[in-house]
Amino acid sequence: AQSVTQLGSHVSVSEGALVLLRCNYSSSVPPYLFWYVQYPNQGLQLLLKYTSAATLVKGINGFEAEFKKSETSFHLTKPSAHMSDAAEYFCASGGSNYKLTFGKGTLLTVNP
Amino acid sequence: EAGVTQSPTHLIKTRGQQATLRCSPISGHTSVYWYQQALGLGLQFLLWYDEGEERNRGNFPPRFSGRQFPNYSSELNVNALELEDSALYLCASSLGGTGSSEQYFGPGTRLTVT
Repeated sequence: AQSVTQLGSHVSVSEGALVLLRCNYSSSVPPYLFWYVQYPNQGLQLLLKYTSAATLVKGINGFEAEFKKSETSFHLTKPSAHMSDAAEYFCASGGSNYKLTFGKGTLLTVNP
Repeated sequence: EAGVTQSPTHLIKTRGQQATLRCSPISGHTSVYWYQQALGLGLQFLLWYDEGEERNRGNFPPRFSGRQFPNYSSELNVNALELEDSALYLCASSLGGTGSSEQYFGPGTRLTVT
């Protein structure tokens, strides 16, 4: 069964600092991987997805993620954090059963 | 292009009642998914509909049910409400076809059971 683990339920960075949100997946075959962001009292917005076309995936709002099969990881990064990046971030895996399996989420706080 | 819409935004019910939540997918999308986001439990898959048929179901009791209409909109029904059903219910839509299809989410319906 697919599972996704997000390391760190809360990450705090200073404005302008590097953002690194960690995600590891467990699957017998390379899954489809997604990062979503959820702002307070809103639904989820898709940031980026990996579908095996390229290991480095660029998304919206300056975010990118690198798929590393050897580490079963799909970490999300952004070179310079903005205050507007403060939100909860979810890593998810999809597959042939079409449902998304989500990690527990990481709350990102950006300090001025 | 209009996104996924959900109604109502908030719904307050008492234990034992029934709740009906509605979702309209992005135009052209044939697949609709329902997820529950409850405090402490995270995001859990509920149901998947495609072309009017239920295709997959998460680990939820039968009192969670739904349907998809010919225009691809969908309805989630929760019968015999329990306090632990209080959650944000998110609907998503996709073009369907493969598991790699992006799912686009609506703003959710906040269900409160008292």
